Amino acid sequence: NAGVTQTPKFQVLKTGQSMTLQCAQDMNHNSMYWYRQDPGMGLRLIYYSASEGTTDKGEVPNGYNVSRLNKREFSLRLESAAPSQTSVYFCASRTGTGLNTEAFFGQGTRLTVV
Amino acid sequence: GEDVEQSLFLSVREGDSSVINCTYTDSSSTYLYWYKQEPGAGLQLLTYIFSNMDMKQDQRLTVLLNKKDKHLSLRIADTQTGDSAIYFCAESKGGANNLFFGTGTRLTVIP
Repeated sequence: NAGVTQTPKFQVLKTGQSMTLQCAQDMNHNSMYWYRQDPGMGLRLIYYSASEGTTDKGEVPNGYNVSRLNKREFSLRLESAAPSQTSVYFCASRTGTGLNTEAFFGQGTRLTVV
Repeated sequence: GEDVEQSLFLSVREGDSSVINCTYTDSSSTYLYWYKQEPGAGLQLLTYIFSNMDMKQDQRLTVLLNKKDKHLSLRIADTQTGDSAIYFCAESKGGANNLFFGTGTRLTVIP
């Protein structure tokens, strides 16, 4: 049981390049999330997918797009990377959007944009 | 999330108690959480408290909630070196009950 798997673990991009961060969960969870973690700012929600077939903006969606490919997979795309997007990105999943459902996190992707 | 605040650093000696504090602003938050992040890893749920409770104890962990002041704390008794990590408080709010995290407190345990 792998839980939440993110790829890649590390990535360096040049400004203007594009890339897709992949996330997959094997817990049959309905809801999936993308967060970014920056020093002194905690985790901020980029986008979420409450259920398969739906996606919604979080706190900091600008510069990102997402795709809920199927129930297992939720990808995050940077179309034109900027240095301000240097961060550690975490994918998470939950059973659903009920009040008290635990979030399970992947190991993170450390992205550097130069 | 900018609505949830924590101090950034805390150092304690091994065997002492640690108290990590958090303030939140949404009085309608029903559940409040503590997550732990070890170096190079994602976050893991430590414990949670329902908003109609004042206190919850789970082995070495004690969570205190002051709903009037919107203040949440996590006490770790007999702190061990393995407790060194970043601790995040979080509240679930909004229509989708998304989790909003504090800035995180880096706990360093000195042997």
